[in-house]
Amino acid sequence: GENVEQHPSTLSVQEGDSAVIKCTYSDSASNYFPWYKQELGKRPQLIIDIRSNVGEKKDQRIAVTLNKTAKHFSLHITETQPEDSAVYFCAERGSTLGRLYFGRGTQLTVWP
Amino acid sequence: DGGITQSPKYLFRKEGQNVTLSCEQNLNHDAMYWYRQDPGQGLRLIYYSQIVNDFQKGDIAEGYSVSREKKESFPLTVTSAQKNPTAFYLCASGVTYEQYFGPGTRLTVT
Repeated sequence: GENVEQHPSTLSVQEGDSAVIKCTYSDSASNYFPWYKQELGKRPQLIIDIRSNVGEKKDQRIAVTLNKTAKHFSLHITETQPEDSAVYFCAERGSTLGRLYFGRGTQLTVWP
Repeated sequence: DGGITQSPKYLFRKEGQNVTLSCEQNLNHDAMYWYRQDPGQGLRLIYYSQIVNDFQKGDIAEGYSVSREKKESFPLTVTSAQKNPTAFYLCASGVTYEQYFGPGTRLTVT
């Protein structure tokens, strides 16, 4: 529902390192958890999502994990590249049908 | 998301004027959304519509109005009652779970 907390707000990593962004939520009815990437001046783009019936999903260098008991989910980016630099938003779809609740975003900077 | 268009990309208006932002989609999505984004801020939901001729207020609806007369179109009017209208406005559409965003309109009111 309304409370989606995202941490950290900024994250700097060296190229090749891993990056992890974590979100927590409070609505036990939440069943869908997408992640969006927004480059400067561009639209947010859906990069990966997970539904409540699975615990982990991978797509090449990115993965999302979900812990429904603890009510948190995380985005993992491995072998980071400078082009991964962007703002990442988590979101969740809870008991209010039809809408998503977004976290406040994480500015990821990958240094070459 | 290439099927969601917003026009214009940049819009300038004088204070006290109403302005309407366009959002069109050809993805046959039932649901459409309007978000506002301020510099360094997250995405705040203004209005959303799950079906034609029906819409719901989001978290910051005051000073805004919408209509949903056609499935493909969801225009947003920023009225003179909106105290701080300068922002980046994003339209989105979706089905069931996923939402896909349009390219956005950057509105500047002086």
